[in-house]
Amino acid sequence: EAGVTQSPTHLIKTRGQQATLRCSPISGHTSVYWYQQALGLGLQFLLWYDEGEERNRGNFPPRFSGRQFPNYSSELNVNALELEDSALYLCASRSGLAGGETQYFGPGTRLLVL
Amino acid sequence: GNSVTQMEGPVTLSEEAFLTINCTYTATGYPSLFWYVQYPGEGLQLLLKATKADDKGSNKGFEATYRKETTSFHLEKGSVQVSDSAVYFCALSLSGGSNYKLTFGKGTLLTVNP
Repeated sequence: EAGVTQSPTHLIKTRGQQATLRCSPISGHTSVYWYQQALGLGLQFLLWYDEGEERNRGNFPPRFSGRQFPNYSSELNVNALELEDSALYLCASRSGLAGGETQYFGPGTRLLVL
Repeated sequence: GNSVTQMEGPVTLSEEAFLTINCTYTATGYPSLFWYVQYPGEGLQLLLKATKADDKGSNKGFEATYRKETTSFHLEKGSVQVSDSAVYFCALSLSGGSNYKLTFGKGTLLTVNP
């Protein structure tokens, strides 16, 4: 069974540009979570999507947004990039079934903002 | 709010040494507890989990027991290998309002020398 996949693996942008990151969950998983791992700041919850809807977001500005598609894959968009957005962005998926409390992570997209 | 505190690293051990990484948590409700491992340049891998008090999670020689009375979930391994060198994250999630989002500790870097 394929795991969570993310693309691209690396992304280089300049300040002010927009970045789009993509995530495909494990087959059968309906929930997708996004986390930011910035140097010195640890792992921070960004967004949660379930059944195509944004269900919860962390303490991030509105320029961080995304969506979930009918096939449950997801996209994270970061507008007006700032230098401090440089981080590893991790996507995780979770089954919506009872007892499905475990999140499984993809390899991440490393975003560098110059 | 919910939080996870894990011992600061880095931790440096010789091969075959005993490992303990302490983790305590604060949560409103009854969380599920997790240990994730991150190898250099990679995403997070689930190492083990426990979903209720007194449960013991185990995998690859690692163990952790959910202790509700001490709000702890310490990670142990009897004999570490060089290949165990990685960053270890303790995390919790709650159902209901928190909707299973993960709250992480800051991570502990483990280096095992031959």
